[in-house]
Amino acid sequence: SYELTQPPSVSVSPGQTARITCSGDALPKKYAYWYQQKSGQAPVLVIYEDSKRPSGIPERFSGSSSGTMATLTISGAQVEDEADYYCYSTDSSGNPSFGGGTKLTVL
Amino acid sequence: EVQLVESGGVVVQPGGSLRLSCAASGFTFDDYAMHWVRQAPGKGLEWVSLISWDGGSTYYADSVKGRFTISRDNSKNSLYLQMNSLRAEDTALYYCAKGSDFPGSGWGQGTLVTVSS
Repeated sequence: SYELTQPPSVSVSPGQTARITCSGDALPKKYAYWYQQKSGQAPVLVIYEDSKRPSGIPERFSGSSSGTMATLTISGAQVEDEADYYCYSTDSSGNPSFGGGTKLTVL
Repeated sequence: EVQLVESGGVVVQPGGSLRLSCAASGFTFDDYAMHWVRQAPGKGLEWVSLISWDGGSTYYADSVKGRFTISRDNSKNSLYLQMNSLRAEDTALYYCAKGSDFPGSGWGQGTLVTVSS
């Protein structure tokens, strides 16, 4: 299956910028999507098509993609942003996959 | 408001079968493709299956292909996942999600499937 690689953990202090990366061979031609999952809750879509933000998602969440790497950026991370974050994309044949997830700690 | 409510998760023996359901409300169900995504205890998300808005196209992860069948009944605003030949590694919380070619903004709270003797 298609492999999307994320760092297991990222840690920042409140107010700092958090960056979570996702690498995959097909990302130059396929969109990346990002989901936030807080403890005990269902995932929530925070970025779609590399850089678009669904309604209701704070502006501090942004996304970008360059080459084989997509990045989720949280500018001015807040304590309530502490969660697991997953990227999602497809391989060149359209087979979907999630990344392994990144635990974001804000303290 | 989008509401998705999964049901059908139970404890089942290896080799057994189970059908999960997902009841949808708050949106025009037959305008959207639907996904099943699962999460093993303490693990990450795994995409399982996708069905087009009309049920005409279905897609599966390699790990479930040939054992699971996704279907929908647009007259009942319902999504299903028929799971056969269950294995211990199928133990997970199963989510349904509204979407297109990706799970979008709208997930249920999940139903727990445990495969154990």
